[in-house]
Amino acid sequence: DTGVSQDPRHKITKRGQNVTFRCDPISEHNRLYWYRQTLGQGPEFLTYFQNEAQLEKSRLLSDRFSAERPKGSFSTLEIQRTEQGDSAMYLCASSREDLTDTQYFGPGTRLTVL
Amino acid sequence: AQKVTQAQTEISVVEKEDVTLDCVYETRDTTYYLFWYKQPPSGELVFLIRRNSFDEQNEISGRYSWNFQKSTSSFNFTITASQVVDSAVYFCALSEKPGAGSYQLTFGKGTKLSVIP
Repeated sequence: DTGVSQDPRHKITKRGQNVTFRCDPISEHNRLYWYRQTLGQGPEFLTYFQNEAQLEKSRLLSDRFSAERPKGSFSTLEIQRTEQGDSAMYLCASSREDLTDTQYFGPGTRLTVL
Repeated sequence: AQKVTQAQTEISVVEKEDVTLDCVYETRDTTYYLFWYKQPPSGELVFLIRRNSFDEQNEISGRYSWNFQKSTSSFNFTITASQVVDSAVYFCALSEKPGAGSYQLTFGKGTKLSVIP
């Protein structure tokens, strides 16, 4: 299996700029998750897709955050008008639609907002 | 609300020692899953094990073993004969299952394990 991939691996931006991250899940996985991890903390759930449907987005941190998965394959996470507090690792995970739903994670995108 | 507590922030052991990482969870669900993930310095979370709430059998995989005790809401992880390559941050996680059927993971804060040669 090819694992979950994320692009870019690192992003440095200035406050106020928009950024977009991409996640490519494992090919046969129809569920896709986004998490955020800040220093010294565990990952924090943001949003979830089953195929192209975004079934849970109430945990997105603000209306500056949005995510899409237009064709049920790759997904993008966009942060508009970035703030220094957005600096974190953004992790993507995918899973099969089965009872166990084990999530496999990508390498993450590390965002630094200056 | 679901919660996972990993009380040990950092542990250091000398190579070949055994080490146990503690995990205590809280949930009102009767059906849930518990997970352990490893995060080496490279940053990628690596899945280690999944356990469902109806299966309290302990599990052993090589040098790794897991002790699930529903009575104490604990899911502890033991590494036997630790090696330098075991150095990483280890996360315990609990699945959530809201009405939409999403298995959101609630993570603990992690335990950083350092194995000294």
